[in-house]
Amino acid sequence: AQTVTQSQPEMSVQEAETVTLSCTYDTSESNYYLFWYKQPPSRQMILVIRQEAYKQQNATENRFSVNFQKAAKSFSLKISDSQLGDTAMYFCAFMKRMEGWNTGNQFYFGTGTSLTVIP
Amino acid sequence: SAVISQKPSRDICQRGTSLTIQCQVDSQVTMMFWYRQQPGQSLTLIATANQGSEATYESGFVIDKFPISRPNLTFSTLTVSNMSPEDSSIYLCSVGGQGLEQYFGPGTRLTVT
Repeated sequence: AQTVTQSQPEMSVQEAETVTLSCTYDTSESNYYLFWYKQPPSRQMILVIRQEAYKQQNATENRFSVNFQKAAKSFSLKISDSQLGDTAMYFCAFMKRMEGWNTGNQFYFGTGTSLTVIP
Repeated sequence: SAVISQKPSRDICQRGTSLTIQCQVDSQVTMMFWYRQQPGQSLTLIATANQGSEATYESGFVIDKFPISRPNLTFSTLTVSNMSPEDSSIYLCSVGGQGLEQYFGPGTRLTVT
């Protein structure tokens, strides 16, 4: 079974500063993907960034980047130049790639980190 | 990306009743997923809904409690049956994207009194 652990229930950061959210996972799979999702108070889950396990290069999306350490099974999210709109719950997610055309992609979510950006 | 809508957005229901939640996607998708997010908790997969076949339920979830319909490639319903206060949660539907990410609906906030 896959598990995803986010050890920081709550974090805060000053506006314009940088913050790093941690995530570790446990799996015996070799073919998988990792995601960070953001859930603001509106409840809408929004994809922030994704990482394919077979890629060594860390993914980057504008102010968001990851530090993917496959051997350590670590997948942290760095938010640079934090903005007030970044205030949200952030979920780390693991996806096991299923074989067969009619099978779904199984997602496992961490317990989330509540991030508050302070003006 | 996929645009997903859910109805109702929220509801308050009495113990012992049932509520059916609708999920509509703006494009045809093979798989649709139903999640539960209990207060302050992460998302837990309830079941995977395939068009034209029975839904596949995760451990701890059964069809009698959470019957699912999938009549076509853009629509699904989840019913929460014989509700108790422990069923108070946000229920989200999602679909897979071509980039393997999942897109989520806005959720249905259910309160059982």
